[in-house]
Amino acid sequence: AQSVTQLGSHVSVSEGALVLLRCNYSSSVPPYLFWYVQYPNQGLQLLLKYTTGATLVKGINGFEAEFKKSETSFHLTKPSAHMSDAAEYFCAVSDRGDDKIIFGKGTRLHILP
Amino acid sequence: EPEVTQTPSHQVTQMGQEVILRCVPISNHLYFYWYRQILGQKVEFLVSFYNNEISEKSEIFDDQFSVERPDGSNFTLKIRSTKLEDSAMYFCASNFNRELPYEQYFGPGTRLTVT
Repeated sequence: AQSVTQLGSHVSVSEGALVLLRCNYSSSVPPYLFWYVQYPNQGLQLLLKYTTGATLVKGINGFEAEFKKSETSFHLTKPSAHMSDAAEYFCAVSDRGDDKIIFGKGTRLHILP
Repeated sequence: EPEVTQTPSHQVTQMGQEVILRCVPISNHLYFYWYRQILGQKVEFLVSFYNNEISEKSEIFDDQFSVERPDGSNFTLKIRSTKLEDSAMYFCASNFNRELPYEQYFGPGTRLTVT
């Protein structure tokens, strides 16, 4: 069965510092992998996705993530944090041919001035 | 940009009462979903709906839950007799192509509080 594990329910970084949000997944076949962001009082917004091809994927707002099959990981990074990045981030997975999305518990990112 | 809307944003109800959560999916989408997130836990799939039928449902989606697309624009989730453990954020989503799950658009959610 698919599952997603996000390490750290809260992560704090200083403005300008590297953002690293960790995600590991479990799936029997290479899945689709996603990161979603949720700003206060808003819906889940797709930040980036891995479907096939290049394992380093770039998303909106300067975020990127790398699919590492050997480590079953899909960690999210951003070189330099901005105050506007403060939000909740969800890693998610979906099996190919299946339309339901399996989410992790989420990581709340705090940006320190 | 098209968006999924949900009403109300917050619903408070007493245990045992029926609630209906409403969603307006994107107009040309064909596939509809409900997910929920209990506070502090992961977002969980509840049900998918296509062509006026449930396509798939999770073990959470028991006989207390039902979904309907009553008028071609709204998509509703009904909980017949709410329990305390139904308190959660409920997200609606819609999609045009089920082969592309990442094309699901999510609404802002309805926070349901059962007292």
